[in-house]
Amino acid sequence: KAGVTQTPRYLIKTRGQQVTLSCSPISGHRSVSWYQQTPGQGLQFLFEYFSETQRNKGNFPGRFSGRQFSNSRSEMNVSTLELGDSALYLCASSNDRVTDTQYFGPGTRLTVL
Amino acid sequence: GNSVTQMEGPVTLSEEAFLTINCTYTATGYPSLFWYVQYPGEGLQLLLKATKADDKGSNKGFEATYRKETTSFHLEKGSVQVSDSAVYFCALIGLQGFQKLVFGTGTRLLVSP
Repeated sequence: KAGVTQTPRYLIKTRGQQVTLSCSPISGHRSVSWYQQTPGQGLQFLFEYFSETQRNKGNFPGRFSGRQFSNSRSEMNVSTLELGDSALYLCASSNDRVTDTQYFGPGTRLTVL
Repeated sequence: GNSVTQMEGPVTLSEEAFLTINCTYTATGYPSLFWYVQYPGEGLQLLLKATKADDKGSNKGFEATYRKETTSFHLEKGSVQVSDSAVYFCALIGLQGFQKLVFGTGTRLLVSP
């Protein structure tokens, strides 16, 4: 099976702009989660989608949003970018059980100038 | 809330040395426990997992045992290789956490020839 894919891999934006990141899960996986990784805060959970519904959300401002499509592909959007949004954004997919493994994509490296 | 604490790095070892990376957790009930590894420039890869007390996860020579009495999930390997150099993350999913992984801060392992 193909793994989790994320596009684009690298992105450079300026403050105030908005950005959309895309994630295609492993075929058959219906749960998609997003995480932010920074040197200072480590790995933090953003949100999780299952069957086009957001089931869980981390402690991030409303500028961070996401959605999931009927084919389980997911996008996340960050509006009004700030310097502190520079990070590696990781997407993970899994089956629905809590004990199931989350498989991660390679990430999108976002740099905000 | 749920949390994971793992030892500070970097851990510097010579090839063929014994490795231990300590991980303890705080959670209600019986969370599922995971070790992920991140190589430079890549996303996270699952190394091993355990879903109930006394379970031992193992993969590629790495092992970790779910110890409920000490709330620990220490990672061990009998003989490390240079190729094991990476950052290792301990993580958990709580019973009510859907697919929300809670990560430790990560431990960088450096193995020299």
